[in-house]
Amino acid sequence: NAGVTQTPKFRVLKTGQSMTLLCAQDMNHEYMYWYRQDPGMGLRLIHYSVGEGTTAKGEVPDGYNVSRLKKQNFLLGLESAAPSQTSVYFCASSYARPWVETQYFGPGTRLLVL
Amino acid sequence: DAKTTQPNSMESNEEEPVHLPCNHSTISGTDYIHWYRQLPSQGPEYVIHGLTSNVNNRMASLAIAEDRKSSTLILHRATLRDAAVYYCILRDPGYSTLTFGKGTMLLVSP
Repeated sequence: NAGVTQTPKFRVLKTGQSMTLLCAQDMNHEYMYWYRQDPGMGLRLIHYSVGEGTTAKGEVPDGYNVSRLKKQNFLLGLESAAPSQTSVYFCASSYARPWVETQYFGPGTRLLVL
Repeated sequence: DAKTTQPNSMESNEEEPVHLPCNHSTISGTDYIHWYRQLPSQGPEYVIHGLTSNVNNRMASLAIAEDRKSSTLILHRATLRDAAVYYCILRDPGYSTLTFGKGTMLLVSP
């Protein structure tokens, strides 16, 4: 049982390049989330999904897109990376509503945009 | 929006108890109080949560005030491995998730 895994662990991009971050969970969870964390800050919600085939915007969605084609995977895309998107990205999942159920986090992806 | 207030940082000595406070004066009657922690260079991990009664698990205890406007996370014997940022969290009513603030950075000295 791997829990929540994220790929890649670290990436350096040039401004304007695109990339996709992959989050996978093997716990059959319905809810999945993408957060970003900047130095000295808490986590901010980018996008989330409450089930396969559904996505919704969070607090800071601009510049990102997501897809949840399979229940176990949640992809975060950057179409044209900007230095402001330099951050640590965390994926999380929960079986049901996270304000009642436990939320499980991945180890993070560190992204540097030059 | 229901929000939480925590001290920016706290210090403790190893093997001593630690009481981490959290104020949430605008909490709604059905909101659970969650605590997560984030070890250095890792993702957050669940610690404990509760609604009204005090709660205990293998990691910590959660003491909830009778009026539910504040709570305290209790680590009974701090270890060096407990040095982390501790988040007291309520539901974010705008999104289907929890709202993570800046939390309390706990420093543990040998």
